[in-house]
Amino acid sequence: AQTVTQSQPEMSVQEAETVTLSCTYDTSESDYYLFWYKQPPSRQMILVIRQEAYKQQNATENRFSVNFQKAAKSFSLKISDSQLGDAAMYFCGWGGSNYKLTFGKGTLLTVNP
Amino acid sequence: DVKVTQSSRYLVKRTGEKVFLECVQDMDHENMFWYRQDPGLGLRLIYFSYDVKMKEKGDIPEGYSVSREKKERFSLILESASTNQTSMYLCASDRGNGYEQYFGPGTRLTVT
Repeated sequence: AQTVTQSQPEMSVQEAETVTLSCTYDTSESDYYLFWYKQPPSRQMILVIRQEAYKQQNATENRFSVNFQKAAKSFSLKISDSQLGDAAMYFCGWGGSNYKLTFGKGTLLTVNP
Repeated sequence: DVKVTQSSRYLVKRTGEKVFLECVQDMDHENMFWYRQDPGLGLRLIYFSYDVKMKEKGDIPEGYSVSREKKERFSLILESASTNQTSMYLCASDRGNGYEQYFGPGTRLTVT
């Protein structure tokens, strides 16, 4: 089965510090996409960052970056200079050739002032 | 901005009722999706559609059906609602495989 595992159900971080959320996935496809989505308490999911598996360079979006280790099938999200607005549920997802995304169970991030 | 809207934020229905959840997107996206979100289980795909009148089963299609008569609208149907279908339902759309999915605000359905 092609799965996504987020091993940390909950994480917390102090404001202005750095936190890393882990994600591993399993797929037999060679060409695929990886995503991190954020769901704030208001519930609307939004894309944080996207990585194409054929690209070796890690994606970055402002304070958000990923550590993509293709051989290990690992796709962690690093949030630098954490802000109160980063508090949310974070979902890692994987998509291949069949239109579908498979999501992990999520990591609830708390940001402490 | 892409907008995905869902017909209700909260819905309460009785066991055995037929329930319609509506989703509309305004960006001419090809693909539309229905997910179910439950605590500790993440998002699970119920059905998706990659073209008008085309649909495919996701991971948990049992007890659900869908309809896509127009490109912008994708409906999820619970033919006979049951209490185990109490959940948060999220609709999403995207313009092609591998592109960003845009999500609606969700419908919290309670079946009593």
